[in-house]
Amino acid sequence: GQQLNQSPQSMFIQEGEDVSMNCTSSSIFNTWLWYKQDPGEGPVLLIALYKAGELTSNGRLTAQFGITRKDSFLNISASIPSDVGIYFCAGTGAGSYQLTFGKGTKLSVIP
Amino acid sequence: NAGVTQTPKFQVLKTGQSMTLQCAQDMNHEYMSWYRQDPGMGLRLIHYSVGAGITDQGEVPNGYNVSRSTTEDFPLRLLSAAPSQTSVYFCASRETGDVEKLFFGSGTQLSVL
Repeated sequence: GQQLNQSPQSMFIQEGEDVSMNCTSSSIFNTWLWYKQDPGEGPVLLIALYKAGELTSNGRLTAQFGITRKDSFLNISASIPSDVGIYFCAGTGAGSYQLTFGKGTKLSVIP
Repeated sequence: NAGVTQTPKFQVLKTGQSMTLQCAQDMNHEYMSWYRQDPGMGLRLIHYSVGAGITDQGEVPNGYNVSRSTTEDFPLRLLSAAPSQTSVYFCASRETGDVEKLFFGSGTQLSVL
């Protein structure tokens, strides 16, 4: 089946720093999504990307759909303590209507 | 707005016991699904349903049963719990056409001893 490789697995950053994480696939994806999971809660959709090269922002978050359609990245600028959580990339491959999820990046923000 | 409601929040079972994890949504979504989340494994699809009376297997269906008698409810049954089923379980729903806009419940943390 389709797999997404998400990196890094975890990161510790100082409050105010910028963060970057990415997701890659060996096959083409038609949509790329980024979800955030707060501790003790279910994931919530942050950003959805539908076209190769698309760059979309949601407040301090910016995500891009890679030109090759095999990767995506998420940037968080000026991190704050409430950014703590697990960030998942997800996507749909060719001919599929099921989401494939990456394994997540656990973000810790040091005040 | 209740959204997706899961019960219970926490559960401890002994090996071999059975139980049902409940999931209900009030958004009139046709599509509902169950995921399990394990450390370092991300979210893996167990079963899903595209409408009342229709269910199908996901990536890791073994040991789990589901049924969909109404649009609102999608229970997940463990017939004979095993320690390998210790996990956090999430129910999710969406509109049929909005593949990306999954709405998740807050999860059930299950421990099988």
